[in-house]
Amino acid sequence: GQQLNQSPQSMFIQEGEDVSMNCTSSSIFNTWLWYKQEPGEGPVLLIALYKAGELTSNGRLTAQFGITRKDSFLNISASIPSDVGIYFCAGTRSSNTGKLIFGQGTTLQVKP
Amino acid sequence: DAGVIQSPRHEVTEMGQEVTLRCKPISGHNSLFWYRQTMMRGLELLIYFNNNVPIDDSGMPEDRFSAKMPNASFSTLKIQPSEPRDSAVYFCASSQYSNPGNQPQHFGDGTRLSIL
Repeated sequence: GQQLNQSPQSMFIQEGEDVSMNCTSSSIFNTWLWYKQEPGEGPVLLIALYKAGELTSNGRLTAQFGITRKDSFLNISASIPSDVGIYFCAGTRSSNTGKLIFGQGTTLQVKP
Repeated sequence: DAGVIQSPRHEVTEMGQEVTLRCKPISGHNSLFWYRQTMMRGLELLIYFNNNVPIDDSGMPEDRFSAKMPNASFSTLKIQPSEPRDSAVYFCASSQYSNPGNQPQHFGDGTRLSIL
């Protein structure tokens, strides 16, 4: 079963607003990744985090690898309609395996 | 650059039939992953390969599912016989192997499978 708790499950916001979502686990993760999935497509990598405390930006997106290695967050600033989609966190628990565990996803809707 | 290529994009078949899904990973990537996505269970890893060798197949639901990777540029996921509960979107992903666990996976666009 799922080992990552992602919240919120869904968000409906106004264009221009900032968005924050997070992922937590009871276990330590070595890698945190954030993906976005649009209808009919596969997940697309947004940001990859490899070290505890790491803060990484990709345009209007910012993500952090929690110090405890048990959580991560993703922020989107000044949202636009094309930000609509499902955002997934994912992580690996061991550096010796590529086995990714996914959160349940956060569905984001942006009202123009 | 070409991404991960999956075929077919859609498959509709009757229960009991054999289904074969295909994947071509990104050139130079040595790890390949098969996932299944459903509303109820989200994205689940079925099996993954490193250098064409299956490493972890603990996510394969049952013996009706099998996967092969005969060479570095091709993999198949087969379901025989298929059942309605196998209906889902199946994704293939690949990554570079040089530092396993620290290389992000890149996904194909998936195969939407419907078993009637």
